[in-house]
Amino acid sequence: DGGITQSPKYLFRKEGQNVTLSCEQNLNHDAMYWYRQDPGQGLRLIYYSQIVNDFQKGDIAEGYSVSREKKESFPLTVTSAQKNPTAFYLCASSRTGTGGSGELFFGEGSRLTVL
Amino acid sequence: GQNIDQPTEMTATEGAIVQINCTYQTSGFNGLFWYQQHAGEAPTFLSYNVLDGLEEKGRFSSFLSRSKGYSYLLLKELQMKDSASYLCAVRDNTNAGKSTFGDGTTLTVKP
Repeated sequence: DGGITQSPKYLFRKEGQNVTLSCEQNLNHDAMYWYRQDPGQGLRLIYYSQIVNDFQKGDIAEGYSVSREKKESFPLTVTSAQKNPTAFYLCASSRTGTGGSGELFFGEGSRLTVL
Repeated sequence: GQNIDQPTEMTATEGAIVQINCTYQTSGFNGLFWYQQHAGEAPTFLSYNVLDGLEEKGRFSSFLSRSKGYSYLLLKELQMKDSASYLCAVRDNTNAGKSTFGDGTTLTVKP
C-alpha cells in the first residue's frame, strides 16, 4: 500500500544532541513537508520541498535542517540549536500540479522528548 | 501571511449535528482544507473547498465563502468516534502552495 513512513515513532534526546527523523513516501509525490505540533496547537511548518535537491524554510526553521537527495526521502535533523525541541513531528507529502485537491498525506508522526 | 481562527473546544451529543466554524485572513488563497486528528495520531484529510458553496461527503459537509473569509465543517448524525480535533487549513496561492493551519477545534461527542 502507498503511504508515508516515519521513524522512529518515539525518540528521547539529551540536551546538546542532534537527532534525525526519517520520512519516506512511496506515493510518487513531488512535494514533502515537515510540521511541528505542540500540545493544544495546530501544525507549524518547519521546512518544505517541492522537488529533489531543493527545499525552503517554513515558519519555524531555526534549529532544524533537512535534505532532499531522493524523491522518496525527506529527513529532518533537529539540532542542538533548537531550544525547545520536545514536540510531535509530522511529515507530509502532496501531489503538485493540476488535478485533484492536493491535500496533505501524513505519516504517523515522531514524538521527540528532550531529557 | 495567513491568520486562521476556530473555536478551541465544542461538545455535542451522539446523533446530533454540529457546525465548526473557521475564519481566515489571507494574503493569497488557493483552497481551504479540513482535517480530522484523533489524539496522538496524524491528521487525515476530510474535505476541500476552493470555490464558494457547499461540498458534501457522506455525513460531513464543508462550506466556503471567500468574500467573507469563512468556512464551516458540518458533521451530521454524530458518532462517538467523531470525538477528535478538527483542523482548518488554508493553502496559499504561491507556487509552493503551502498550507497554514489553525489551532484546531477539539470536539467531544457525549452519549
